[in-house]
Amino acid sequence: GENVEQHPSTLSVQEGDSAVIKCTYSDSASNYFPWYKQELGKGPQLIIDIRSNVGEKKDQRIAVTLNKTAKHFSLHITETQPEDSAVYFCAVPGGGRRALTFGSGTRLQVQP
Amino acid sequence: SQTIHQWPATLVQPVGSPLSLECTVEGTSNPNLYWYRQAAGRGLQLLFYSVGIGQISSEVPQNLSASRPQDRQFILSSKKLLLSDSGFYLCAWSFTSGSVAGELFFGEGSRLTVL
Repeated sequence: GENVEQHPSTLSVQEGDSAVIKCTYSDSASNYFPWYKQELGKGPQLIIDIRSNVGEKKDQRIAVTLNKTAKHFSLHITETQPEDSAVYFCAVPGGGRRALTFGSGTRLQVQP
Repeated sequence: SQTIHQWPATLVQPVGSPLSLECTVEGTSNPNLYWYRQAAGRGLQLLFYSVGIGQISSEVPQNLSASRPQDRQFILSSKKLLLSDSGFYLCAWSFTSGSVAGELFFGEGSRLTVL
């Protein structure tokens, strides 16, 4: 099956700084790369995703970059705010490509 | 708009007891349905997914089972719970998109503690 590795497992930044989380995957045929945010006690929510036909996508303070050759993609959060504190998960298609295989998660703490 | 309901929200069960978690989706037809489990401080593990009534794919062999008796209803069950079954169980749905994975919409989760 698909393997996805996510780093770092925890990340602490000062408010206003940038945060970067990286995921690597094993299946070169993967073509969909989403990022999810999970707040305490809730289900994850999609915050941004990218298809394999583009290398970068931005949505206000968040962006995702994709390097298909190296098989990795990254989440970039700029001008971090305390409300960005949460657990972030990357994911790639798995489970017969109709489900998603998730990374192990990154706990982001934004210090005010 | 579409909504997903999952219950119960919390559950404390003794080892060896049965389990039934239920999930329903409203506002869409023929969704793909999923059960994930999240152990404390860990990632999301896919347990089951379903692309139609009575069609269940199991990703991890264990003492859990899933059923889809109706188009928008997904049930996770166990006949005898183990301590290792403790965790946060998340139901999710996605639009039917053939063989291509797409956005998952998660429920609020069910926290199971097995004592």
